[in-house]
Amino acid sequence: GQSLEQPSEVTAVEGAIVQINCTYQTSGFYGLSWYQQHDGGAPTFLSYNALDGLEETGRFSSFLSRSDSYGYLLLQELQMKDSASYFCAVILDNYGQNFVFGPGTRLSVLP
Amino acid sequence: DSGVTQTPKHLITATGQRVTLRCSPRSGDLSVYWYQQSLDQGLQFLIQYYNGEERAKGNILERFSAQQFPDLHSELNLSSLELGDSALYFCASSVAGGPTDTQYFGPGTRLTVL
Repeated sequence: GQSLEQPSEVTAVEGAIVQINCTYQTSGFYGLSWYQQHDGGAPTFLSYNALDGLEETGRFSSFLSRSDSYGYLLLQELQMKDSASYFCAVILDNYGQNFVFGPGTRLSVLP
Repeated sequence: DSGVTQTPKHLITATGQRVTLRCSPRSGDLSVYWYQQSLDQGLQFLIQYYNGEERAKGNILERFSAQQFPDLHSELNLSSLELGDSALYFCASSVAGGPTDTQYFGPGTRLTVL
């Protein structure tokens, strides 16, 4: 089967840095994506890692270690608007986009 | 606004019924995806189409089917509905449907089965 694990909740204050971890056990692996979803909204794409290392996009960075089956999303200079759920997703193959999603981490940013 | 449209926004129906959800992708996008999000199952990938053909299949039940039409809009058909099918159904689209393509999600259709 497919299994992804994320912390269920994380709380941090404005301006801080927070890291959301994702570990996975899947039948295949092509890459790891991260999505943000605000309450009542649709998921939005944040980042994608196919190779080991850190990918930086503005205040958000994502890291992947394929040998450890582990990745994380790093959010810097937290803002209130970053309060949302964050999902990691494993892309299983390189043909289509057959995804398996993690359970999601609810981030609360406090003033 | 992602440019992906979904109709209807809300749908309430009874067990055993059949419904059709509709999705129009962003202009220029050839690939469409369907997802189900429920409280107990989380976000699940159902199926992907590219230019009218099925490309990838996830946890889609046999009671569910989908298709992508020549004008690239897509429909998800759900039949013999059960209480557990109550969920938010998202459609997403991407340019070419490859693994590195960014997916743009529509606002979703909230299905309630009574």
